Amino acid sequence: DTAVSQTPKYLVTQMGNDKSIKCEQNLGHDTMYWYKQDSKKFLKIMFSYNNKELIINETVPNRFSPKSPDKAHLNLHINSLELGDSAVYFCASSHRRGGANGYTFGSGTRLTVV
Amino acid sequence: DQQVKQNSPSLSVQEGRISILNCDYTNSMFDYFLWYKKYPAEGPTFLISISSIKDKNEDGRFTVFLNKSAKHLSLHIVPSQPGDSAVYFCAANQDSNYQLIWGAGTKLIIKP
Repeated sequence: DTAVSQTPKYLVTQMGNDKSIKCEQNLGHDTMYWYKQDSKKFLKIMFSYNNKELIINETVPNRFSPKSPDKAHLNLHINSLELGDSAVYFCASSHRRGGANGYTFGSGTRLTVV
Repeated sequence: DQQVKQNSPSLSVQEGRISILNCDYTNSMFDYFLWYKKYPAEGPTFLISISSIKDKNEDGRFTVFLNKSAKHLSLHIVPSQPGDSAVYFCAANQDSNYQLIWGAGTKLIIKP
């Protein structure tokens, strides 16, 4: 059983479209995250939810909107996609703040905007 | 301001030898330091961590050393195996903060 699963794994779409990436975790964790891996391979936090409450909201365009229907799910919706949104997006989860066990990551969604 | 730095973008090591990956940090308030391993087209996988009150943690072939006075930690892999070829990320967090701070990663190549 996959602990953190995100779908789709690959997403190719045209500029201007709206798309969603879904994430689910079955670890019983109470905190979930969205990360973006940029062209220089840095992992940058975008959002974090703890028990469905937004706790980290980094400076990202407001075209990106996270939604957490329950603490096992954190979806990422992106409006009016731009070429610069092309990247790999990772979902992760943790128990509280992670501590010594850190986060568990999904396998990533490679988004390509053409 | 990069609080966690991995200054070596890549490292090449002979199979069977020791691999040493280094990481420096600037924030003395970090409570935990973690190492993640990442293969292409996969998410980062947690490898080993160390509390800021310890100076060494060992798990099988992997040992992490922490030198708080130098604000430096290192991951030792002994012996290195071909399957260890991956990108290794150093990360750090505080108990009071939800955010994990990441280094830029070091690509480890194990030569047969």
